[in-house]
Amino acid sequence: ETGVTQTPRHLVMGMTNKKSLKCEQHLGHNAMYWYKQSAKKPLELMFVYNFKEQTENNSVPSRFSPECPNSSHLFLHLHTLQPEDSALYLCASSPGVQNTGELFFGEGSRLTVL
Amino acid sequence: AQSVAQPEDQVNVAEGNPLTVKCTYSVSGNPYLFWYVQYPNRGLQFLLKYITGDNLVKGSYGFEAEFNKSQTSFHLKKPSALVSDSALYFCAVPLDFGNEKLTFGTGTRLTIIP
Repeated sequence: ETGVTQTPRHLVMGMTNKKSLKCEQHLGHNAMYWYKQSAKKPLELMFVYNFKEQTENNSVPSRFSPECPNSSHLFLHLHTLQPEDSALYLCASSPGVQNTGELFFGEGSRLTVL
Repeated sequence: AQSVAQPEDQVNVAEGNPLTVKCTYSVSGNPYLFWYVQYPNRGLQFLLKYITGDNLVKGSYGFEAEFNKSQTSFHLKKPSALVSDSALYFCAVPLDFGNEKLTFGTGTRLTIIP
């Protein structure tokens, strides 16, 4: 049990579908992150939220839309994706104020775009 | 910009032998450095970090890392490898000093051969 839960673990969608990835953390943290992990590429930081406010959007295409309704939940809404968006999407959280530098990751959502 | 590099995509070590996974860094100021591990079909897990102080940092699962300022390196080590250590290892550094947005190396796949 990592304290950060991601659902679904696997998702297959067509390019015209709309779906969402969900992340929930039970650690009392104030910062949440979306990372993308593609084969043979470094992890890419996509979005950062601190105290529900978006503080980083790393030039992510608009077909990815994050939502953070509270400090415990983070969503990634997906629409009109491309096959190259197939990847493992990792959610992470951190205290946000103590600057420990340690991230706590979920197990990821494996996305396949057909 | 802060960055880390992992020069080896793959490292193979016989069980019981010492292991080293290499990481070099490029940062301005005093570095915060991290190692994470990813087991198959799982998210990343924190192993250890260097903030200041002793150049030899001890972490989870018997791993340690040596900070070397003159060589700008932060290599991960273990005296005696276990088959269960087989995984993907990532070195990381904060994007900006003192915050929790990490940028990761490309990863090194460690395989322990029985």
